[in-house]
Amino acid sequence: DQQVKQNSPSLSVQEGRISILNCDYTNSMFDYFLWYKKYPAEGPTFLISISSIKDKNEDGRFTVFLNKSAKHLSLHIVPSQPGDSAVYFCAASPGTSGTYKYIFGTGTRLKVLA
Amino acid sequence: ETGVTQTPRHLVMGMTNKKSLKCEQHLGHNAMYWYKQSAKKPLELMFVYNFKEQTENNSVPSRFSPECPNSSHLFLHLHTLQPEDSALYLCASSQGHTNEKLFFGSGTQLSVL
Repeated sequence: DQQVKQNSPSLSVQEGRISILNCDYTNSMFDYFLWYKKYPAEGPTFLISISSIKDKNEDGRFTVFLNKSAKHLSLHIVPSQPGDSAVYFCAASPGTSGTYKYIFGTGTRLKVLA
Repeated sequence: ETGVTQTPRHLVMGMTNKKSLKCEQHLGHNAMYWYKQSAKKPLELMFVYNFKEQTENNSVPSRFSPECPNSSHLFLHLHTLQPEDSALYLCASSQGHTNEKLFFGSGTQLSVL
C-alpha cells in the first residue's frame, strides 16, 4: 500500500495563476517532506522541503504547506510560469535516526498554459 | 561536471545479457542510492550505500547487484533481467545524514527485450 499518495496525475493551469499540487501520506512517523521537479530526460531536482515542526515554508514563488492532523501537504506555485511545466514528486522521510529512506509519490504532471 | 553523472543514458539489452550501470558523484557526498522508476509508479528505493557500506536492500531480486567501490562511484550490475525490469534507473547522492535532500542523476532508461 502506498504511504505517499499524489491523487492527481495531471494538472493544467493558466500562466500567472496559482498552481496547487497535493500530497497525502499515511505514516504519522514521517517528519520531513520534500518536493522534487522532474523535466523529461532529466533526473528529479530538489525544489523545497518542510520539517514537521513547521506548517509552512516559502521560497520565492514556491510555498509548501503541511497539515499534520490531516496528513496532507501541498505545494503552491504563484505565479505559475510555462517553465514550471514538469512532473512534481512529493517525498517523505520516516525520520528514524540514521535512516535515509525517502518514500516518493507517483507524481503530478503540471502543465502551465501560456 | 554535473553533480551526479550516470552512464549510459539509454540501454537496450536481451534477457540473457549482462550489463552494468555506472554512477559518479562529484559533490563529496558519503551516501549513494539506486532508485527505480516504472511507468505510473512511485520512485522505488533499491539500494543505499553510506560510507561504502550497504545499509539498505529493499527486497531487490538478486539479478540486480550493486557495487560501491568508493564514496564517489556506484554501479548496478544487471544479469538475466526480465522485460518487467524495463524502467528508468536513477542514481542519487547525499551527505549521508537524516533529513537531507537527494541529488539525482539524469538516469538510465533501460529496455529489456
